[in-house]
Order: sequence, then C-alpha cells, then structure tokens
Amino acid sequence: RKEVEQDPGPFNVPEGATVAFNCTYSNSASQSFFWYRQDCRKEPKLLMSVYSSGNEDGRFTAQLNRASQYISLLIRDSKLSDSATYLCVVGVSGGYQKVTFGTGTKLQVIP
Amino acid sequence: DAGVIQSPRHEVTEMGQEVTLRCKPISGHNSLFWYRQTMMRGLELLIYFNNNVPIDDSGMPEDRFSAKMPNASFSTLKIQPSEPRDSAVYFCASSGTGGQPQHFGDGTRLSIL
Repeated sequence: RKEVEQDPGPFNVPEGATVAFNCTYSNSASQSFFWYRQDCRKEPKLLMSVYSSGNEDGRFTAQLNRASQYISLLIRDSKLSDSATYLCVVGVSGGYQKVTFGTGTKLQVIP
Repeated sequence: DAGVIQSPRHEVTEMGQEVTLRCKPISGHNSLFWYRQTMMRGLELLIYFNNNVPIDDSGMPEDRFSAKMPNASFSTLKIQPSEPRDSAVYFCASSGTGGQPQHFGDGTRLSIL
C-alpha cells in the first residue's frame, strides 16, 4: 500500500461547481498534513495546512479524519483558475520535516 | 521575503557532462530537500538535509548523483556523468521546524541530450 494515495482524476467540473478530493495515508503516526497545488510546468505551492479541527480559507475547506486516515479538500464555486493538480502531503513528526507527497489529483474547471 | 532560489532555471547539456544544480533555501529554514519530477515517476525525494547534515539519501538514484550542503544558505546537487534518463525537473525545497510546510524553488529543467 502506498504511503499516500490519491485519485489521479482528471476531475472535469463546470465553473461554479463544488468539487471534493480525498487522500488516504497509511502511517497512523502521521502528524502534519497539507494540500499543495501545482500548475503545469511550475513548482508545487502550498495551498493550505490541514488542522485536526478542519479549516477553511475562502472557497477552500480542508478536513482531517484520523480514525479513517484520510484528508479531504473541498473547493466551492470553482473558478477557471482553480485548474491545476492538487497534491496531498503527509508528514510524520520527528524534527526532520520529511513528508510524503501523493501523486496528485488533476482538476480541470470548464467554462 | 526571498523564497527558495534555484539556479540555473534551464540546463541543456550532452550526456557524459557534469551537471551542477544550486539552491539557496529560505533564510532561517533548517531543512532542505532535493526532489526530481518526471511525468512517469511523479515527484521523488532524492535527499534531504537537516542543519546542513544529510539525513536520508536513499532516494538518490545511483552513485552518479551527489549532494552537499556546505552551509545553511547553499546546497548543490551534482550529476556526473549525466545520462539522458536524468532529464527531469529538479526542485529544491526548504522548511522550518515544528511541522512547518515546505516551500519550493522554481525548479531547474534539465535536458540531457
């Protein structure tokens, strides 16, 4: 089983739609969780950290379910500019900050 | 504030040549990571440093690859001799302590002919 698993997609959604991605992780000792976005031929960029109680940043909501070992990302009112690959990132604490990246979920928002 | 700075942005060279990629992490970050990304294999961690010390180099493909971090503000990744299969985008990232997220440089697009 992969350490971090994501549905590769692509998810093709119309503008204004709500879309959700899930990501599962295998290490129950994982302590840090993030979502990154990566545009074509660009570097991964931090979208948001994921906190135990869940957190929201504008149209984006992240949730963590430790019991089932998954995190989710919800995007409301999708914009064309949201088209990108979304990477789930999971880390185990230990001071060295090493994390594991998922292979990403591709989102295409259609006019 | 300056982000992670990588150079060169693009490198095209012939197989057999030595390639040196450079990275300046964000000031104050104590962890530095080198990644490689290809369409086939996605984002792969090659090596990472903590406080300038290599912690895990298990992702380094083979002995042709080496990385150094002589001080807190500079790291290099060398490939010698280079081969066409080394063609990829190489990213450097840095992070602080306490579960802080990594921040990536713009990457070096390497093509080995």
